[in-house]
Amino acid sequence: AQSVTQPDIHITVSEGASLELRCNYSYGATPYLFWYVQSPGQGLQLLLKYFSGDTLVQGIKGFEAEFKRSQSSFNLRKPSVHWSDAAEYFCAVGSGGGNKLTFGTGTQLKVEL
Amino acid sequence: DTGVSQDPRHKITKRGQNVTFRCDPISEHNRLYWYRQTLGQGPEFLTYFQNEAQLEKSRLLSDRFSAERPKGSFSTLEIQRTEQGDSAMYLCASSQGTSGIFESEQYFGPGTRLTVT
Repeated sequence: AQSVTQPDIHITVSEGASLELRCNYSYGATPYLFWYVQSPGQGLQLLLKYFSGDTLVQGIKGFEAEFKRSQSSFNLRKPSVHWSDAAEYFCAVGSGGGNKLTFGTGTQLKVEL
Repeated sequence: DTGVSQDPRHKITKRGQNVTFRCDPISEHNRLYWYRQTLGQGPEFLTYFQNEAQLEKSRLLSDRFSAERPKGSFSTLEIQRTEQGDSAMYLCASSQGTSGIFESEQYFGPGTRLTVT
């Protein structure tokens, strides 16, 4: 069965600093990988997705992620964090047959001004 | 396109009562998903519909839970004889697709927060 590990429960960065959120997955076949962001009172919003092809994917709000098969990782990055990026971030892997998403436990991002 | 909507947004109920939640997907989407999210956890898959057919159910979905999607439009999730452990955020998502792979993303609604006292 597929699984996702987000090893960092909380991360604090200063506004303007770079950000990297870690995600490791376990899946037997080629994974479909996603990063979602959840703000208080808001639904989950898709930041970016990887299905195939270029292993560096660009998303919304200046985020990018790199798929590394050898490390089973799909880390999320942003070169310069804005205060409005404070939220909870979830990595997810999708299984093709069942169409369901398996999420990690999330990383809570705090941005210091 | 008004997005995925869920009703109610909040529900407080006493243990043993039945509750029903509604999800209205994006109108052209044929797939609809239910997830449950407890505090400090990521969402967990509960069940999935393609049109009106319920194609997969998680083992998390006990006999007290039932989901329907009549006519392939809105969906309801009913919990019978609620327990305190049912307290969670119930999320609905929808997507458009015709085969078994992810052609498109899942769009999530704001969720229904259930508190069982």
